[in-house]
Amino acid sequence: EVQLVESGGGLVQSGGSLRLSCVVSGFTFSDYWMSWVRQAPGKGLEWVANIKQAGTEKNYLDSVKDRFTISRDNAKSSLYLQINSLRVEDTAVYYCARVNWPRFDSWGRGTLVTVSS
Amino acid sequence: QSALTQPPSVSGSPGQSVTISCTGTSSDVGGYNYVSWYQQHPGKAPKVIIYDVSKRPSGVPDRFSGSKSGNTASLTISGLQAEDDADYHCCSYAGSYTWVFGGGTKLTVL
Repeated sequence: EVQLVESGGGLVQSGGSLRLSCVVSGFTFSDYWMSWVRQAPGKGLEWVANIKQAGTEKNYLDSVKDRFTISRDNAKSSLYLQINSLRVEDTAVYYCARVNWPRFDSWGRGTLVTVSS
Repeated sequence: QSALTQPPSVSGSPGQSVTISCTGTSSDVGGYNYVSWYQQHPGKAPKVIIYDVSKRPSGVPDRFSGSKSGNTASLTISGLQAEDDADYHCCSYAGSYTWVFGGGTKLTVL
């Protein structure tokens, strides 16, 4: 069974940092692109970043490009998102998603990031 | 990277059909046959129900269908059932390994 489990969210002040993690099981992690998608309270989904299988290519939403860093450790079947200079508008549930090109075919349950001013 | 446009809400009675639109531009919806749709129940993770405009993953009922014309994609749900009451999100590939989602549509089954 494919499973993705996010962690690392929490309450942080504006300007702070967080590192989100996603541990996967049930599939060969190194075979897939992976993405982070977020959802602000009461809003739609928003694609944030993705990373190629070997980590050699990374792409970002323009508004997070200089503050977020996506990475992966294939040996640990883990995906990460380093979030710096947090803003109130970054408040959201952050989902880890597997990319089965070109769709997101498996999702975790998400981790909530709340940024206070 | 502007969000795709979806109606905030739609509704229908059991057994009826509803269609949810998703409007983008020639740089996303109109430029690629890579539109996907996601169903999301409250407090749950999204689930893909349509991909590549009109394909259904195994296990998704054929009551769900997708189409596209120009810069607008559509999701049609026929024979509405109570369990279809959920949020629906469209998504399109936008080139250069980036994606764009719509604002989401809340479907109420009356």
